[in-house]
Amino acid sequence: GAVVSQHPSRVICKSGTSVKIECRSLDFQATTMFWYRQFPKQSLMLMATSNEGSKATYEQGVEKDKFLINHASLTLSTLTVTSAHPEDSSFYICSARVKGGGAHTQYFGPGTRLTVL
Amino acid sequence: QKEVEQNSGPLSVPEGAIASLNCTYSDRVSQSFFWYRQYSGKSPELIMSIYSNGDKEDGRFTAQLNKASQYVSLLIRDSQPSDSATYLCAVLPQQGAQKLVFGQGTRLTINP
Repeated sequence: GAVVSQHPSRVICKSGTSVKIECRSLDFQATTMFWYRQFPKQSLMLMATSNEGSKATYEQGVEKDKFLINHASLTLSTLTVTSAHPEDSSFYICSARVKGGGAHTQYFGPGTRLTVL
Repeated sequence: QKEVEQNSGPLSVPEGAIASLNCTYSDRVSQSFFWYRQYSGKSPELIMSIYSNGDKEDGRFTAQLNKASQYVSLLIRDSQPSDSATYLCAVLPQQGAQKLVFGQGTRLTINP
């Protein structure tokens, strides 16, 4: 089956530092990747849609200068949380859609738990 | 009005019984519907997709779609403790849309 990896799985950082999270599709090409954030006991909140080779499309209320997304290849997208603060502590999940596939071919990564001290 | 609505629960069901999870959506032209299961601390995994009115069965799971009522449900037969999780309903608003719209999820607990 299709596998999406994320690295790191957990990260603890000090307030004001930047954190980069990688999302990779291991056995398929993904023209579109999605970045979600999930706070405890809440649903997934889509942050941005990332298409390979173009700028990400951010959802309303998500600061594009704070959450930098790069989708440089068909198998890799990165999310950088810049100048992280405690309120950015959350579970960040990426998902990747198979190139040419429909929504049922959207596979989720295992998530990255970010804790900002 | 939220685009996709689910009862957050928790929903408690005895082991062996049928668990029934419900979801309503607001966009009448929505085309595709998905149920994801999410264990605590893990990411969602797709368990069912349904595109046309009626029932779709896969093992112990049955998805039901009624586009006229804008309602989609998931039935889990012979519930097992391992089915305890949060179940997320997701809708693709229209053909060609990229973004899934998720409900808030229903927390299901199967009691042994």
